[in-house]
Amino acid sequence: AQSVTQPDIHITVSEGASLELRCNYSYGATPYLFWYVQSPGQGLQLLLKYFSGDTLVQGIKGFEAEFKRSQSSFNLRKPSVHWSDAAEYFCAVGAKGGTASKLTFGTGTRLQVTL
Amino acid sequence: GAGVSQSPSNKVTEKGKDVELRCDPISGHTALYWYRQSLGQGLEFLIYFQGNSAPDKSGLPSDRFSAERTGGSVSTLTIQRTQQEDSAVYLCASSLGLAGLWDTQYFGPGTRLTVL
Repeated sequence: AQSVTQPDIHITVSEGASLELRCNYSYGATPYLFWYVQSPGQGLQLLLKYFSGDTLVQGIKGFEAEFKRSQSSFNLRKPSVHWSDAAEYFCAVGAKGGTASKLTFGTGTRLQVTL
Repeated sequence: GAGVSQSPSNKVTEKGKDVELRCDPISGHTALYWYRQSLGQGLEFLIYFQGNSAPDKSGLPSDRFSAERTGGSVSTLTIQRTQQEDSAVYLCASSLGLAGLWDTQYFGPGTRLTVL
């Protein structure tokens, strides 16, 4: 069965600083990988996804993630964080079976941005 | 267009009562998913619908949990005889339901359930 580990429960960065959120996955086949963001009182919003091809994936809001098969990682990065990026971030791995697109999530990393 | 909507946004109930949570998916989406988000457990898959049938109920935690979907649209998640450990945010997502291809899930804002 697939699993996702986000080792950092909480991260604090200063506005304008760079950000990297870690994600490690376990999956027997080529994974579908995702990063979602959840702002307070909001649903989950998809930031970016990786299916195949170029291992560096660009997403919305200036985020990017790099798939590293050798390390089973899919870390999320942003060069310069904005105060509005404060939220909870979830990494997920997807399993496709028929029409089911089932997601397994990590436990999330809460990002705090200081001004 | 309209996104996934869920109601109620908040529900407080007493232990032992039954509750119903509702999800309205995006129009035209044939696949619908329920997840549960609780402290310390992260997001857990509960059940998946394709049309009105539920091929995968593997995540339902007990037989007190059930879900149905009618008309290929609205879904209700019912929890009978609620327990305090059922307190969580229940998230619904929908997707186009494409066979053989990954399709993006769009999430609703969730229903926060508190069992006293």
